[in-house]
Amino acid sequence: GENVEQHPSTLSVQEGDSAVIKCTYSDSASNYFPWYKQELGKRPQLIIDIRSNVGEKKDQRIAVTLNKTAKHFSLHITETQPEDSAVYFCAASIGNSGYALNFGKGTSLLVTP
Amino acid sequence: GAVVSQHPSWVICKSGTSVKIECRSLDFQATTMFWYRQFPKQSLMLMATSNEGSKATYEQGVEKDKFLINHASLTLSTLTVTSAHPEDSSFYICSARDRVGFQGHTQYFGPGTRLTVL
Repeated sequence: GENVEQHPSTLSVQEGDSAVIKCTYSDSASNYFPWYKQELGKRPQLIIDIRSNVGEKKDQRIAVTLNKTAKHFSLHITETQPEDSAVYFCAASIGNSGYALNFGKGTSLLVTP
Repeated sequence: GAVVSQHPSWVICKSGTSVKIECRSLDFQATTMFWYRQFPKQSLMLMATSNEGSKATYEQGVEKDKFLINHASLTLSTLTVTSAHPEDSSFYICSARDRVGFQGHTQYFGPGTRLTVL
């Protein structure tokens, strides 16, 4: 089955700096890659997603890049703010195989003022 | 936006009892719902995929007789933890797939249910 690796497990940056979280996947059939933000005790919130026919997608301070050949994708957060502090999960799914999400283990991001 | 509700938000029960958790998509139809389990400081582990009108598909290692899933309509799926034991204590989260959004891929999560078995 699909295996998603996520790095780093923890990340601490100063307010205003950029943060980058990287994920790799194993199944070349995966074609959808969402990123979720989860605050303590709350539900995962979809923050950005990308399909395999696109190399990059941006939404204000958040961007995702995808390299299908290398089977890795990354989340970029620019101009970080303390409220960006949370756990971020990457995931991958295969559209014609039930759409189930395979999650990475998460990255705990801390943005210090 | 797409909203998924889950009820109850938390429950405490005695060992040996059964607990039912409901997951509802409030403003969209969800052909498929998913049930996840999350331990503290860990990732979400997929337990089962629930398709409306058919039997759920369970992930390897998940006991289907212990975790009963019913997906009776396009907006409601239920998870029943039968004969619960302390090791079943966890955070259970459902998600619903919006069959229209992003060509069918987009999943929206419920707020989760904290189950504590004494």
